[in-house]
Amino acid sequence: ELKVEQNPLFLSMQEGKNYTIYCNYSTTSDRLYWYRQDPGKSLESLFVLLSNGAVKQEGRLMASLDTKARLSTLHITAAVHDLSATYFCAVASGTYKYIFGTGTRLKVLA
Amino acid sequence: DTGVSQNPRHKITKRGQNVTFRCDPISEHNRLYWYRQTLGQGPEFLTYFQNEAQLEKSRLLSDRFSAERPKGSFSTLEIQRTEQGDSAMYLCASSLVNRAEAFFGQGTRLTVV
Repeated sequence: ELKVEQNPLFLSMQEGKNYTIYCNYSTTSDRLYWYRQDPGKSLESLFVLLSNGAVKQEGRLMASLDTKARLSTLHITAAVHDLSATYFCAVASGTYKYIFGTGTRLKVLA
Repeated sequence: DTGVSQNPRHKITKRGQNVTFRCDPISEHNRLYWYRQTLGQGPEFLTYFQNEAQLEKSRLLSDRFSAERPKGSFSTLEIQRTEQGDSAMYLCASSLVNRAEAFFGQGTRLTVV
């Protein structure tokens, strides 16, 4: 059974700093997704990673995928307050099911 | 608005009552998913439809839960004889066949009192 772990679970960081969120998964998969969720809101798609070595960047966020290590990272560059949210990785299990991690709650302090 | 639409947004019900939620996916999307999210957790898969066919149902869905997608368009999720443990956010998502990305609706927050 596919299991997805994220760390850290909580992250408090100063504006302007860099940090990385890690997503490990237990069995082979060919697709990984990153989502953002604001309190009380639904999930917003950030990145879709479809192959080993895939790297996607949008603004201050960059995601990468290493399928051999079963690891994805979400790197935050020069954090700003607006990035405060919960970030989830989701790994495809089979052709349609997503298994989500427990999320990383990010708080960016001014 | 061309996104995934869910109704109602909030539902408070007494234990033992039945509730039904509706999801309208993005119009051209063949795949529809229901997930449940409890406080502080990631979403958990409940069930999946491809067009009108329900192809998988999670062990999380007891016999009190039923989902339908008549005509492969909107979907409903019904919970019978609600229990306090059913309190959660119920999320619907849709995607295209052979497309990787699922788009989520705003969710229905259920509170069972």
